[in-house]
Formats: sequence, C-alpha cells, structure tokens
Amino acid sequence: NAGVTQTPKFQVLKTGQSMTLQCAQDMNHEYMSWYRQDPGMGLRLIHYSVGAGITDQGEVPNGYNVSRSTTEDFPLRLLSAAPSQTSVYFCASSRSEGDGLYEQYFGPGTRLTVT
Amino acid sequence: KQEVTQIPAALSVPEGENLVLNCSFTDSAIYNLQWFRQDPGKGLTSLLLIQSSQREQTSGRLNASLDKSSGRSTLYIAASQPGDSATYLCAVGPRETSGSRLTFGEGTQLTVNP
Repeated sequence: NAGVTQTPKFQVLKTGQSMTLQCAQDMNHEYMSWYRQDPGMGLRLIHYSVGAGITDQGEVPNGYNVSRSTTEDFPLRLLSAAPSQTSVYFCASSRSEGDGLYEQYFGPGTRLTVT
Repeated sequence: KQEVTQIPAALSVPEGENLVLNCSFTDSAIYNLQWFRQDPGKGLTSLLLIQSSQREQTSGRLNASLDKSSGRSTLYIAASQPGDSATYLCAVGPRETSGSRLTFGEGTQLTVNP
C-alpha cells in the first residue's frame, strides 16, 4: 500500500512552459485535492475532486487545470508557468461521506521553481 | 469563512518537557479536526483525527482535545524528545455535503533541544 504518491519531487520550469504534476493513490479514496504551500500563507486549496469525472475549484485555481478520469489519479496541469507559481505542491486524498471528509493522507510533495 | 489560528508560531523547549500547542477556529460547525506533523522538506503526516462528537484522542505521547463550543483544540505532547522537532499543523473539516475542504492553520514550529 503506497498511499499517496507524487511525481516529480523537484522541477524547474521557465516562464511560459507547461507541465503536469502527477498524483496517484491506492486507497480507493473518493476525495482528492491539490494544495500549494507558501511561506507565510500556509496551505491553500487549488482544486479538488469528489470522484471520477467531478472536479471543482478551490481558493487559488487560476493558472491550473485538473481532470479525474479514474479514482486513482488526479493530475495537476500548469498551463503557462509563472514565477508566482513557484511553490511546494501537495496532493491529498480521503474517504468522503455525505456529511464530511475523513482522515486526509498527503503525498510527499513536488517542489516547483519557475524562473 | 472559517479561520484557523495556531499559537504560538514557534516554540523552543528542553528535552523532557511536557508542552501544549493551541489551535482555534471561528466557525464551530465542524465535522472533524486533524493534527498533522510536517518535517522540513517533507509532506504532512497525520497524527490525530478528532470527530466533532469526540472530546479527545490519544496516540502514544500525544493527546488532542477538542472543545467545539469555544472553537479550540489543543495538542499535548508528553515528555518531549528531539525527534519531536517539526512543524505541527491543525486543519478543520467542515460539516457540509458538497465542496468540502479543510482549512489549515499556519502551524507551530517546535524545536526540542537535547
């Protein structure tokens, strides 16, 4: 049971380039989410999904796209990288019931630098 | 909008001391509260999850309490060790059927000195 895995661990992009951050979980969790973590701003939700084919925006969605074609995978796409997107990105997953989310499991993170 | 505050932002203690980390939240309509540990350059590791109907949870030297009516949770660490040095984050899960999302505090950076 690998839990939540993320690739790559580190990435350097030039402004304007695009890339996809991969996230996968093997716990059959319905809920998956992407956060970015920046000094002094804490963890902020980018996008989330409550199941395959269903995604929605978090508090900082601009510049990012997501899709969820399977329960296991939830990739995050940067369309045209900007220096403001330099951050550490975390993927998380949990069970989801009708009245809330259960224990969240986080991946190890992707450290992204945009020059 | 839910807001989560953690006090203190940083704490330095000698090894062996018992300590308390604080987390407060503004909206008491929560589903649960989760405490995490984050080591430098690493992801978040779940420590304890307290459902809204519970008052406390214990795991080893850790004890987390929840007072929903006053909007507070504490994480008690007994007999601290240098290996406990890390940033501790609390996150509140809302009671709602859609658009559920956690709200995180900014964390308390703990240093336990040998």
